[in-house]
Formats: sequence, structure tokens, C-alpha cells
Amino acid sequence: DTAVSQTPKYLVTQMGNDKSIKCEQNLGHDTMYWYKQDSKKFLKIMFSYNNKELIINETVPNRFSPKSPDKAHLNLHINSLELGDSAVYFCASSQRSYEQYFGPGTRLTVT
Amino acid sequence: GNSVTQMEGPVTLSEEAFLTINCTYTATGYPSLFWYVQYPGEGLQLLLKATKADDKGSNKGFEATYRKETTSFHLEKGSVQVSDSAVYFCALSQPGGGTSYGKLTFGQGTILTVHP
Repeated sequence: DTAVSQTPKYLVTQMGNDKSIKCEQNLGHDTMYWYKQDSKKFLKIMFSYNNKELIINETVPNRFSPKSPDKAHLNLHINSLELGDSAVYFCASSQRSYEQYFGPGTRLTVT
Repeated sequence: GNSVTQMEGPVTLSEEAFLTINCTYTATGYPSLFWYVQYPGEGLQLLLKATKADDKGSNKGFEATYRKETTSFHLEKGSVQVSDSAVYFCALSQPGGGTSYGKLTFGQGTILTVHP
């Protein structure tokens, strides 16, 4: 069983489109996160949810909107995609603020 | 704010060589410290962790000691293998709640390549 899964694994789309990335965890954790990894491998947190409540909202354009329908899911919707949004997006989960478990990543390419 | 600085990479070693990847941090209080590893095409995996000063984290032959006096958490392995080739990230997490709840601050990552 995959602990933290993301779909899709690859996403290629054109500028201006709207897309969503889905994340699910089956670990029973109460906290989920989205991270962005740029082309130089640098990782930065974007959002976190604890028990479906938004806790961390870093300096991210408001074109990015996370949604947590329940504790096991955290989706990321991106409007009006730009070239600079091309990156690998990782979902992660943890129980409270303890160690985080990461998904396999979604490689987003905006053309 | 919090920050993590890793040694510049990439690092290239021969199999069975000794590995050190330096990591220093800036944070208030007593953060938890982590090393994550990212194998090609995969997500991050927790390699080891330490939650208080002088703790030593270890896993798969890798070790790191939480040194508060030097604000460091250097990663070491006595004899690397080709299968250790990956990107290694040092990270810290500040305890407590609020807007820092669970937030991991990462170093820039160090690419390790091990040749046979």
C-alpha cells in the first residue's frame, strides 16, 4: 500500500490553463503539506493543513488554492498557469508536527 | 527566520570512500533536525533525525549528531555504495504551534554521486 500518493505523476499543460493535483494519505495522519521543488532541487513549503484547517500559507500567488475535503486528502488547484509554475510538487503528511512522509511528486511542465 | 545551509555540491566519491555532508542551521530555541534523501525520480524519504542537543541519529550506516554549540548536523557515512547516489537534504522543524506548525525548512540539497 502506498502511504502518500499523488496524481498525476506528470502533468504537461499550456500557459493560462487551470489544473489540479491530488494527494491522498492512508497513514491516519492529521496534517498534510504541499511543497514545491524548483529546477535546482530547492524545496519550499507552500501550504499545510491540520485536521482540514489551513495552518501554513506561505508567500504563494493566490492562483494556488489548496483544498482539504477530509483529513486524508489535500488537493492543489492552480489557475492561469505560468511558465514559472513548472516544478515538482510534493505532498507530505505527518501526525501532528512529527516526521513527515512524502509522496512521489508531480512533475508539472507549463509550455 | 529559520534557515539551513548545506555544503556546496555536487559531491563525487568512489565506492567505499568516507562521506561528510556539512549542514549548519539558524533557528531560535531547540528545533528538530532531519536528513532526507531523494533517489532519482522519487519523493523524499526520512533518513535520520535528532530532536535534542547531542542526540545522534543513525540509519543505513549514516550518522549525524545534533551539535547545538556549533549549530550543526553533519551527515557522515564510513563507506559509501553506488546505491547511495541521491540528493541529500538537511532540514529543521521548529516545535510548537501557530503558523510554524510542522513546517520543514530545507537546505539547498547536495547531490551525491558514487562511482564503482
